[in-house]
Amino acid sequence: SQTIHQWPATLVQPVGSPLSLECTVEGTSNPNLYWYRQAAGRGLQLLFYSIGIDQISSEVPQNLSASRPQDRQFILSSKKLLLSDSGFYLCAWSVKLPSREQYFGPGTRLTVT
Amino acid sequence: GQNIDQPTEMTATEGAIVQINCTYQTSGFNGLFWYQQHAGEAPTFLSYNVLDGLEEKGRFSSFLSRSKGYSYLLLKELQMKDSASYLCAVFVNDYKLSFGAGTTVTVRA
Repeated sequence: SQTIHQWPATLVQPVGSPLSLECTVEGTSNPNLYWYRQAAGRGLQLLFYSIGIDQISSEVPQNLSASRPQDRQFILSSKKLLLSDSGFYLCAWSVKLPSREQYFGPGTRLTVT
Repeated sequence: GQNIDQPTEMTATEGAIVQINCTYQTSGFNGLFWYQQHAGEAPTFLSYNVLDGLEEKGRFSSFLSRSKGYSYLLLKELQMKDSASYLCAVFVNDYKLSFGAGTTVTVRA
């Protein structure tokens, strides 16, 4: 069966510090991968999606970036965090079309102080 | 842009029925999902509608009307564990799910 891992589970970082969140998927190959952010009281916002290694699309221009160094690994990064980067970060995966269901990881709670 | 609206909060009694409405105006439509999200946890899949009509899955049912840009999630025989946020999401193209802000359902004894 497929599983998706994210770490760390929680993170408290000062403004201006760097960020690296990691997501890995097991039990499937060549998945589509996604990064979402959920701010308090708001819906999930798609940040990045990837259909393959080195194929990453950005949905929202901001101080975040994503990389996919391996087929089942997706990394979210920032060089300098802002207060507004606080939120719940969720990684998700899906198989290729026609299936459209996305499966979410456990999430990382990021607080920028 | 994408506009997906659902009520912010709903309260119901254990054993009752609750209907969560979702209206959408999106640049594309390739199906509509409902997810359940307990506080502090990841969303989990409940249902997927791509054609008009009702999809039933146990105590949960989901309805879609594409011409009206409307869907609802029906929760029957409510249990305390159903207290959660319910997210309506529209697949606007081959990759992008656009989410509503979610409806927090509180089930009271």
